[in-house]
Amino acid sequence: DAKTTQPPSMDCAEGRAANLPCNHSTISGNEYVYWYRQIHSQGPQYIIHGLKNNETNEMASLIITEDRKSSTLILPHATLRDTAVYYCIVSGTSYGKLTFGQGTILTVHP
Amino acid sequence: DAGVTQSPTHLIKTRGQQVTLRCSPISGHKSVSWYQQVLGQGPQFIFQYYEKEERGRGNFPDRFSARQFPNYSSELNVNALLLGDSALYLCASSLSVGNTEAFFGQGTRLTVV
Repeated sequence: DAKTTQPPSMDCAEGRAANLPCNHSTISGNEYVYWYRQIHSQGPQYIIHGLKNNETNEMASLIITEDRKSSTLILPHATLRDTAVYYCIVSGTSYGKLTFGQGTILTVHP
Repeated sequence: DAGVTQSPTHLIKTRGQQVTLRCSPISGHKSVSWYQQVLGQGPQFIFQYYEKEERGRGNFPDRFSARQFPNYSSELNVNALLLGDSALYLCASSLSVGNTEAFFGQGTRLTVV
């Protein structure tokens, strides 16, 4: 699986959009970009995934650059409950292995 | 609908002992994966099982083993426990083997003393 690079931490004001970047310059054509988050003391939670097109669901939007070497997860209106570690994962295995890195600690403050 | 359930939630064992952790996937999910999360790090993949067969294995010693039952529930066994096995053990279920939209349980916190 391709390696990902994320900033170790980010801050965001409540109600503002949180934009979390991820670099995956070695991504190959059949690999998807997944985002998970982990709130303290809980199991990781699936957020969104995509291959090459931008994706949106009720939780977030995923913007993937045209060359697919980077992506951005957007939480449109961050709340205090969005404070968590956010993991960007690139996966293309034939089975469901997820390779978690260190992630980005997002802190949403009032 | 019930999510992924894991038992027990906490466990304390002594070095050299053996432990069995249990996981029930979401109804209709046939794939179960196990992860180990050491404090301060992201989860590390241990195993994936689908239709009772091992489909993937991470870089863990043979002391770690698992199995999946006909009802798709799963057990993770760790023998000859070491202090370094202290971690949060997470179970994730998904619909099929290649599906990485996984749903995680709350985990079992194992402490080895």
